[in-house]
Amino acid sequence: QKEVEQNSGPLSVPEGAIASLNCTYSDRGSQSFFWYRQYSGKSPELIMFIYSNGDKEDGRFTAQLNKASQYVSLLIRDSQPSDSATYLCAVEQDTSRRANAGGTSYGKLTFGQGTILTVHP
Amino acid sequence: DTEVTQTPKHLVMGMTNKKSLKCEQHMGHRAMYWYKQKAKKPPELMFVYSYEKLSINESVPSRFSPECPNSSLLNLHLHALQPEDSALYLCASSQVRLVNTDTQYFGPGTRLTVL
Repeated sequence: QKEVEQNSGPLSVPEGAIASLNCTYSDRGSQSFFWYRQYSGKSPELIMFIYSNGDKEDGRFTAQLNKASQYVSLLIRDSQPSDSATYLCAVEQDTSRRANAGGTSYGKLTFGQGTILTVHP
Repeated sequence: DTEVTQTPKHLVMGMTNKKSLKCEQHMGHRAMYWYKQKAKKPPELMFVYSYEKLSINESVPSRFSPECPNSSLLNLHLHALQPEDSALYLCASSQVRLVNTDTQYFGPGTRLTVL
């Protein structure tokens, strides 16, 4: 079983519609979840992060997290052609396996394979 | 300012060359990362530095040698690479936090081609 799974798509939606992107993860101890957008030939760009169960909204974007179901999603409202890109779900590795340096710690991210979203006019 | 810069943008090298990739951030982040990304694949973690110390090496071949001269700079030294090492090399940085992982901010990447 892959650690982080996403539907590879492509997901095609009409302009103005809601695009729904889904991600499941296997590490029950994961605490931090990120959605990145990546245009072809460019580097990943942060869209949202979410740490707590429930919804988090930022403009047209809403991230939803359900730790019991090990599921995180991203909704894009009023989709625009400029939203066409690959969306990467990234999940932090279980904190119990974090290494420590100088009394603090960092997190190791595992990325899903990405979902290609196409918004057509 | 959430900018991470990387140089060069493009690099073509032969299998016997030695080259270096450079990454710089001025956000006060104390964790810096190197990722490798092949076409149509997600980024793969290579190295993590935390407080200028190497914290993670994801079993990367020794022909890749990271260096963190100070808290703002991260280098990746390349030697005797193979054509299959051709990829987009991404640098990222983040704060180091006790609880939740902070956001990693990515640089624009270096597109490496090994002939």
